[in-house]
Amino acid sequence: AQKITQTQPGMFVQEKEAVTLDCTYDTSDQSYGLFWYKQPSSGEMIFLIYQGSYDEQNATEGRYSLNFQKARKSANLVISASQLGDSAMYFCAPAASNQFYFGTGTSLTVIP
Amino acid sequence: NAGVMQNPRHLVRRRGQEARLRCSPMKGHSHVYWYRQLPEEGLKFMVYLQKENIIDESGMPKERFSAEFPKEGPSILRIQQVVRGDSAAYFCASSTWEYSGNTIYFGEGSWLTVV
Repeated sequence: AQKITQTQPGMFVQEKEAVTLDCTYDTSDQSYGLFWYKQPSSGEMIFLIYQGSYDEQNATEGRYSLNFQKARKSANLVISASQLGDSAMYFCAPAASNQFYFGTGTSLTVIP
Repeated sequence: NAGVMQNPRHLVRRRGQEARLRCSPMKGHSHVYWYRQLPEEGLKFMVYLQKENIIDESGMPKERFSAEFPKEGPSILRIQQVVRGDSAAYFCASSTWEYSGNTIYFGEGSWLTVV
């Protein structure tokens, strides 16, 4: 099993500011994908962004971008121009060999 | 274009009863994953299935838990003789193949409460 570390159990950010959520992982797979999901208080899991391990460009999806550093095995999520609706749990999930492995999550609170 | 459908959304069972959770993958998706989320924790992988095949069940508890994905119909996660520790949210996800960037989606989850 892979080890995923999300070291920030709770984060606060001012509305309209940018925030970075950290994720490091430990894998021996050469080919893998990195996913980030958002889980609001209502409980559903919402796909945000994906990065392939061989993708040279960092993935971007609207206000979400990945700061992917393959050698360091880190895939930090950057949310720009935070909105109140961004308040949620955020899970990092490396995926390889048919499995997704989830971190323990980071709780983000956007302050008006 | 329905997403991943899980039912029931909420299920209450007494200790010792059976719980059955159903998951209908997105149209065109042939791979199903089940995860369990305990309160204040992340998602733990349980099992990965394709139609009529269990591909990886390394995350399934050895007893009382089983899963299937028949040729026709939804995937079923079955928990026999439930105990209070089984109370959790159970999420199903589906994809078109093993995993691929933007083609894995989650259902809204099934919340099991054992009383």
